[in-house]
Amino acid sequence: GESVGLHLPTLSVQEGDNSIINCAYSNSASDYFIWYKQESGKGPQFIIDIRSNMDKRQGQRVTVLLNKTVKHLSLQIAATQPGDSAVYFCAENKIGRNTPLVFGKGTRLSVIA
Amino acid sequence: KAGVTQTPRYLIKTRGQQVTLSCSPISGHRSVSWYQQTPGQGLQFLFEYFSETQRNKGNFPGRFSGRQFSNSRSEMNVSTLELGDSALYLCASSLGQGAQFEQFFGPGTRLTVL
Repeated sequence: GESVGLHLPTLSVQEGDNSIINCAYSNSASDYFIWYKQESGKGPQFIIDIRSNMDKRQGQRVTVLLNKTVKHLSLQIAATQPGDSAVYFCAENKIGRNTPLVFGKGTRLSVIA
Repeated sequence: KAGVTQTPRYLIKTRGQQVTLSCSPISGHRSVSWYQQTPGQGLQFLFEYFSETQRNKGNFPGRFSGRQFSNSRSEMNVSTLELGDSALYLCASSLGQGAQFEQFFGPGTRLTVL
């Protein structure tokens, strides 16, 4: 697949358990954050976003937590399924500025059935 | 609605050659961004085009160039290829320019330089 070969930290999780993927962002001026999922052979796919005026946002089986004090994001996946196996990236940007997304290095999630 | 398409999906070139990659955005999307993905550097921004004009450029040498056509389709060109240019090149389209517009990625073009 296209994401094979990336030298990434790997998180292995048993099917049905919860997963927590962490990301440290670099720019304290960033106020908009996105989590992407990249499956083998595909481009990154939007999962969930959060603005800096929030510290938590929930989606379907996913929750993003934002700690601006330590510039830290986390993605929590509830009841992890084999289809969740992928590489996960966080990205940061600033609303209102025409600046490009800055991506983190990524974490590979491997779900053990 | 069809997603972002990129052609070709795979390319093998030799050092010194040049290559052109193509991206067709989602219908109605006017912004196209290009990224390079490598094992060592991850996803790095190359450039963004909106209304046929380059609006942002990443920190890449001048060998990397691009353009956007009136139908929003975009091409990127890499001249005088180097081994280090081997990467997955991703294109993303969005309705408009700016962080508030969700970017939709294509599957990428895998370029191998020998």
